[in-house]
Amino acid sequence: DIQMTQSPSTLSASVGDRVTITCRASQSISSWLAWYQQKSGKAPKLLIYKASSLESGVPSRFSGSRSGTEFTLTISSLQPDDFATYYCQRCNSYSWTFGQGTKVEI
Amino acid sequence: EVQLLESGGDLVQPGGSLRLSCAASGFTFSSYAMSWVRQAPGKGLEWVSAITGSGGSTYSADSVKGRFTISRDNSKYTLYLQMNSLRAEDTAVYYCAKAIIGAVAANYGMDVWGQGTTVTVSS
Repeated sequence: DIQMTQSPSTLSASVGDRVTITCRASQSISSWLAWYQQKSGKAPKLLIYKASSLESGVPSRFSGSRSGTEFTLTISSLQPDDFATYYCQRCNSYSWTFGQGTKVEI
Repeated sequence: EVQLLESGGDLVQPGGSLRLSCAASGFTFSSYAMSWVRQAPGKGLEWVSAITGSGGSTYSADSVKGRFTISRDNSKYTLYLQMNSLRAEDTAVYYCAKAIIGAVAANYGMDVWGQGTTVTVSS
């Protein structure tokens, strides 16, 4: 089974900071990867799909990239509304596994 | 407006059964794969099951294989999750979600989510 390792589990940052979250697959998943934001008590929200495509309506400060089996979510300038938990998800090989999550806190 | 509305969550005893429903609206339901995702209290997201747009193929996580069955009725725009032999560790908020394309073998992600329905397994 393909494992997804997301890091860090917690990230402390300030408004205006550049933030990077990483997700590493144990083997190739091509670009079958999505990123989500989840706020407490709410459903997840799609941010990035196909590794680097920005979902409609999502601010351009969010971006995704891929280098081999390593995927990165970057928030270029952290805003107050961005404090939340972020998850990566692979959607291939008939299994849509999530990463462990990264909580971005003040 | 594209919308998903889950229902059916309840308190159930260990070993019991429950069927969740997810009513879809605002898009051509049969064109997209659908999925169930759950979140135990204080924990991360866990993918549960997915089904192709036609309903012809289904896939599930090992943790629920043989106990949970995903299905859909495209004429009713409704997704289902039949849960049998429930365990305490199945306690979670269950979300239904619409996939970006119709396949399950590989997909780009899930772009529409319901608000969730709570399943509690306890005696």
